[in-house]
Amino acid sequence: AQSVTQLDSHVSVSEGTPVLLRCNYSSSYSPSLFWYVQHPNKGLQLLLKYTSAATLVKGINGFEAEFKKSETSFHLTKPSAHMSDAAEYFCVVSDRGYGNKLVFGAGTILRVKS
Amino acid sequence: DGGITQSPKYLFRKEGQNVTLSCEQNLNHDAMYWYRQDPGQGLRLIYYSQIVNDFQKGDIAEGYSVSREKKESFPLTVTSAQKNPTAFYLCASSMQPPGGVSQPGELFFGEGSRLTVL
Repeated sequence: AQSVTQLDSHVSVSEGTPVLLRCNYSSSYSPSLFWYVQHPNKGLQLLLKYTSAATLVKGINGFEAEFKKSETSFHLTKPSAHMSDAAEYFCVVSDRGYGNKLVFGAGTILRVKS
Repeated sequence: DGGITQSPKYLFRKEGQNVTLSCEQNLNHDAMYWYRQDPGQGLRLIYYSQIVNDFQKGDIAEGYSVSREKKESFPLTVTSAQKNPTAFYLCASSMQPPGGVSQPGELFFGEGSRLTVL
């Protein structure tokens, strides 16, 4: 079965410092991976996706993620945090071998301190 | 602007009552989904529909029902059989079922409906 583990439930950074949100996945086939962001009491918005093309994926708002098959990881990074980045972030895996079902991680809440 | 509209945003229900959450999209998407979100648990799939007049159970369908009579609309009914209905409910749509023919599609989400059982 496929699964997603977000290694940190909460991450706190200072404005202007780098952001790292960690995600490990488990899948027996060739996964597609996504990062979504959710601001309080709002729906989710796609940040970026990996679908077997370039392993370094660039997304919106300066975020990027690198697919590392050997480490089964898809960590989300941003060089410099902004106050508006404070939100909850979800790592998601989808795999054709499992009927393309989307499996969501439990989420990581990012806090940005001024 | 195109998007997904969920209503109501907040809803209170007494135990034993059924409630219906509305989801409308004008994106001309074929597939629609209902997710339940609880703190620290991510999103769990309740029901999904890939085409009008057809829908499938997700991982936690017990106590819920849906209909898909029109492409634009996918209402969710939370029945009295749902043991713990207090949650944040999110509706989503996609142009094709994720992974349909070639690659997974992006999900577009509404802003959610927060249901509280009193």
